Amino acid sequence: DTAVSQTPKYLVTQMGNDKSIKCEQNLGHDTMYWYKQDSKKFLKIMFSYNNKELIINETVPNRFSPKSPDKAHLNLHINSLELGDSAVYFCASSQSDSNTEAFFGQGTRLTVV
Amino acid sequence: AQTVTQSQPEMSVQEAETVTLSCTYDTSENNYYLFWYKQPPSRQMILVIRQEAYKQQNATENRFSVNFQKAAKSFSLKISDSQLGDTAMYFCARIFGNEKLTFGTGTRLTIIP
Repeated sequence: DTAVSQTPKYLVTQMGNDKSIKCEQNLGHDTMYWYKQDSKKFLKIMFSYNNKELIINETVPNRFSPKSPDKAHLNLHINSLELGDSAVYFCASSQSDSNTEAFFGQGTRLTVV
Repeated sequence: AQTVTQSQPEMSVQEAETVTLSCTYDTSENNYYLFWYKQPPSRQMILVIRQEAYKQQNATENRFSVNFQKAAKSFSLKISDSQLGDTAMYFCARIFGNEKLTFGTGTRLTIIP
């Protein structure tokens, strides 16, 4: 069973479109994250949710809107996509009270054309 | 800002040799956790090894070991008997409590046959 799964794995779309990336974890973790990895491989956190509540919201354009319907899911919706949004987006989860490592999904490569 | 620094953007070694990847970090906390993640070309983020700051003993996982120097805030990764499958990006990371998992900028390691 996949611990953290995100879909789709690849996403190619035109500028101006709206798209969503879904993420689900079956580890029973209470914290989920979205990270963006740019072309230089730098991993930057975008959002963090703990028990469905937004904990961290880094400086991210408000075109990006995370949604957590329950603590096992954290979806990322992006409005009015721009060329600069092209990157790999990773979902991850961890358990906040044990400081264990974060488990990552396989990443979604988003290409905006 | 609490940061994680990897000063070696790229490294390469011959197969079967030993290589050490450097990592330093900044924190005002006394108890935190440190990790090394591996990202092969498949882009999956894989945990290699973890170290709890309150433990003095350096963590070891088969061919992977760390040199944790708490006073110096240094956390290097040693890979012994390197194999072709070790070729990947390696990221050092740090977490404390509900803080975000903060990554270094990564080291691209190439194992030469």
